[in-house]
Amino acid sequence: KQEVTQIPAALSVPEGENLVLNCSFTDSAIYNLQWFRQDPGKGLTSLLLIQSSQREQTSGRLNASLDKSSGRSTLYIAASQPGDSATYLCAVRSTGNQFYFGTGTSLTVIP
Amino acid sequence: DAGVIQSPRHEVTEMGQEVTLRCKPISGHNSLFWYRQTMMRGLELLIYFNNNVPIDDSGMPEDRFSAKMPNASFSTLKIQPSEPRDSAVYFCASGTANQPQHFGDGTRLSIL
Repeated sequence: KQEVTQIPAALSVPEGENLVLNCSFTDSAIYNLQWFRQDPGKGLTSLLLIQSSQREQTSGRLNASLDKSSGRSTLYIAASQPGDSATYLCAVRSTGNQFYFGTGTSLTVIP
Repeated sequence: DAGVIQSPRHEVTEMGQEVTLRCKPISGHNSLFWYRQTMMRGLELLIYFNNNVPIDDSGMPEDRFSAKMPNASFSTLKIQPSEPRDSAVYFCASGTANQPQHFGDGTRLSIL
């Protein structure tokens, strides 16, 4: 069974700092990988979707990379802002059409 | 577009009662997903539909849970009878092939 792990579980950084969130998965037979953010009391908002054939995706200050062979993905956030404070989750869609979520990294950006 | 709409937003009921959660997906999306989120287990996929047909229900915890999608614009998740351990936030999401899933704001369910 696919296992998705996110490290660290929590992260606190000063405003303006660049940061990296990590996601690892045990089975490289994936269809795609998706990064979400979740604000308290809200559902998940999709940030970036990387297909298995792609290496990275960018949206504004966010950049996500995918190394399928090593089972890793990173989410890079440039010039962090207090509004970036949220929980970030990665999710893997396997080639068998199963969906697996990590437990998330809780990010706090301090003004 | 109004996004994925879930109702109710909050539900508090006594154990043994039937609970029905509702979801209206985004128009044009042909996939619909039901998730459950708890502190202990994180986010778990319960079931997903493609073109109104259940594709994978292996995440449904037990026979007390059932889900239907009678048409492309409506789905229900039913728990009967409910138990305290069913307390969680239940999310519905919709999407299309190769596109990101869009989540509703969830139903916070408390079973007393």
